[in-house]
Amino acid sequence: AQSVAQPEDQVNVAEGNPLTVKCTYSVSGNPYLFWYVQYPNRGLQFLLKYITGDNLVKGSYGFEAEFNKSQTSFHLKKPSALVSDSALYFCAVRDMDYGNNRLAFGKGNQVVVIP
Amino acid sequence: KAGVTQTPRYLIKTRGQQVTLSCSPISGHRSVSWYQQTPGQGLQFLFEYFSETQRNKGNFPGRFSGRQFSNSRSEMNVSTLELGDSALYLCATGSSGANVLTFGAGSRLTVL
Repeated sequence: AQSVAQPEDQVNVAEGNPLTVKCTYSVSGNPYLFWYVQYPNRGLQFLLKYITGDNLVKGSYGFEAEFNKSQTSFHLKKPSALVSDSALYFCAVRDMDYGNNRLAFGKGNQVVVIP
Repeated sequence: KAGVTQTPRYLIKTRGQQVTLSCSPISGHRSVSWYQQTPGQGLQFLFEYFSETQRNKGNFPGRFSGRQFSNSRSEMNVSTLELGDSALYLCATGSSGANVLTFGAGSRLTVL
């Protein structure tokens, strides 16, 4: 089965500084990778995806992610963090062994942006 | 267009009871998936329905079941509730072959 790993539990960053949330993946075949964000008492909101094409993917709210095949990574980045970016971030991969709409999620990273 | 609607948003049950949760997808979305989110296990896939048929099933006991209606609305049922079933249950919908799932706000179940 496909899987992703998010090695850090929490990421603390000062407002205005660059934000990076790490994700590595393990798949057989070509990966379909996603980032979602979850605010308290809310569902998951889609940020961006990598299916094919450019390794640098731009998404919502100023976020981007870099796909690195050799390092099997898909790190989420934002050049300048905002306090409102404080949330839980999930990396996910489509589990191609089971079909199109089954996602395998990482454990999530709590991002805290300090004013 | 309206988003994914889950009802109820919050509910409290006691052990041994059963519960039914509902999900209304975005218009045109025929795929409905269910996920369980807990602090310990994270997000785990329960099952997916497409055109009233279960297309995928995760590794959960038979107490967890679901169905989908002809209008694509879906329900999931948990029977003989256990304390460990306390979780946020998320519904996600997509169109056929879609790459992106849209999630509802979830139904938070507390089992006492």
